[in-house]
Amino acid sequence: SQQGEEDPQALSIQEGENATMNCSYKTSINNLQWYRQNSGRGLVHLILIRSNEREKHSGRLRVTLDTSKKSSSLLITASRAADTASYFCATNSGYSTLTFGKGTMLLVSP
Amino acid sequence: ETGVTQSPTHLIKTRGQQVTLRCSSQSGHNTVSWYQQALGQGPQFIFQYYREEENGRGNFPPRFSGLQFPNYSSELNVNALELDDSALYLCASSLENPGTGELFFGEGSRLTVL
Repeated sequence: SQQGEEDPQALSIQEGENATMNCSYKTSINNLQWYRQNSGRGLVHLILIRSNEREKHSGRLRVTLDTSKKSSSLLITASRAADTASYFCATNSGYSTLTFGKGTMLLVSP
Repeated sequence: ETGVTQSPTHLIKTRGQQVTLRCSSQSGHNTVSWYQQALGQGPQFIFQYYREEENGRGNFPPRFSGLQFPNYSSELNVNALELDDSALYLCASSLENPGTGELFFGEGSRLTVL
């Protein structure tokens, strides 16, 4: 079953704009992670935020976590065409497994 | 490049057949997880192996089985294939168990069942 639900399902923006994706989940977590997938290939880990953290940055990525609302957001600033991909949030609840959402498809046009 | 390799990359089977997918984990990683990703969906957890033993299983029937070898490489076997088994099968390795759950994925094996 899916734990996380990303919103929107699809997002289309121009290069240079910011992209924001949201994720909601249902149960308590140890951490939440965001992954990227290019066109049906393997997933690549982007960033991890622990349940006791509220915000984290990595390059052009900013992740926030609100455990009271069971939600997270991923912001990609100054998007590039190469950012075109599907983005998934995944929750870890204390074991070495992750539960993924259905993903957001991001299209960045030149 | 994550260092996780999967084979084969693509394969086509017919309903009722059996398939074996293989995965070599990243060097030093002792935990391997398998995920099924149907088209347009997120990855679904199948099972996880830690030091050659199954260490967790998702909502998949017994015809999905696996192995982990002493070198931590792994196999996923699916018997009596059904049309709905058509999907991208992803292998992921991780360093610690339990750990943060950060996974290193291979490129996947795309299975088509006709």
